[in-house]
Amino acid sequence: GAVVSQHPSRVICKSGTSVKIECRSLDFQATTMFWYRQFPKQSLMLMATSNEGSKATYEQGVEKDKFLINHASLTLSTLTVTSAHPEDSSFYICSAPKGGAFGTGELFFGEGSRLTVL
Amino acid sequence: AQSVTQLGSHVSVSEGALVLLRCNYSSSVPPYLFWYVQYPNQGLQLLLKYTSAATLVKGINGFEAEFKKSETSFHLTKPSAHMSDAAEYFCAVSDGGGGNKLTFGTGTQLKVEL
Repeated sequence: GAVVSQHPSRVICKSGTSVKIECRSLDFQATTMFWYRQFPKQSLMLMATSNEGSKATYEQGVEKDKFLINHASLTLSTLTVTSAHPEDSSFYICSAPKGGAFGTGELFFGEGSRLTVL
Repeated sequence: AQSVTQLGSHVSVSEGALVLLRCNYSSSVPPYLFWYVQYPNQGLQLLLKYTSAATLVKGINGFEAEFKKSETSFHLTKPSAHMSDAAEYFCAVSDGGGGNKLTFGTGTQLKVEL
């Protein structure tokens, strides 16, 4: 069974609205979670690292005011796309390392959330 | 900076045939390398990983990959394809010491035909 779960799996919203995507680790605590974005036929691009109890670390070129990340608990991180526009339409994927933030990179991935902004 | 190149966005094989998915990496430090598989409407699953131990790595579902430093490659193979292997496969690299930040390739869609 899935150890990392995302919700919703699909969301359609109007331009200018905000959308929240949740990422939960189901059977382990995750002090760190990663948020990726995947465009059609392209690779996963790391957007930010979500840290429980502190601010998220954003990758270069990612607007932190646009993509708000909150690591509310040891099992939950949320990504909020604020004032969404059609160019924000994408597949958003979260992941969490079960053995802690530093290790050999074995991540557990959520099922992904497909955002469509009209 | 690290990068991964996957040659061939689509690969088609016959059931029972050899599967070969190519991955070349670029890294300024000894890399950790991974192959993930993504089935439709599912999250990525780890197939196998190389973390500087044995260069031939065996993974789940009969897949294996060989780390070749001289060729900067980490190709994924399976001797005999099964219909259930049809999925998208991603090669990824991390620097190992920096945590779990992965750089992914663009993916290869594997199609298995009867």
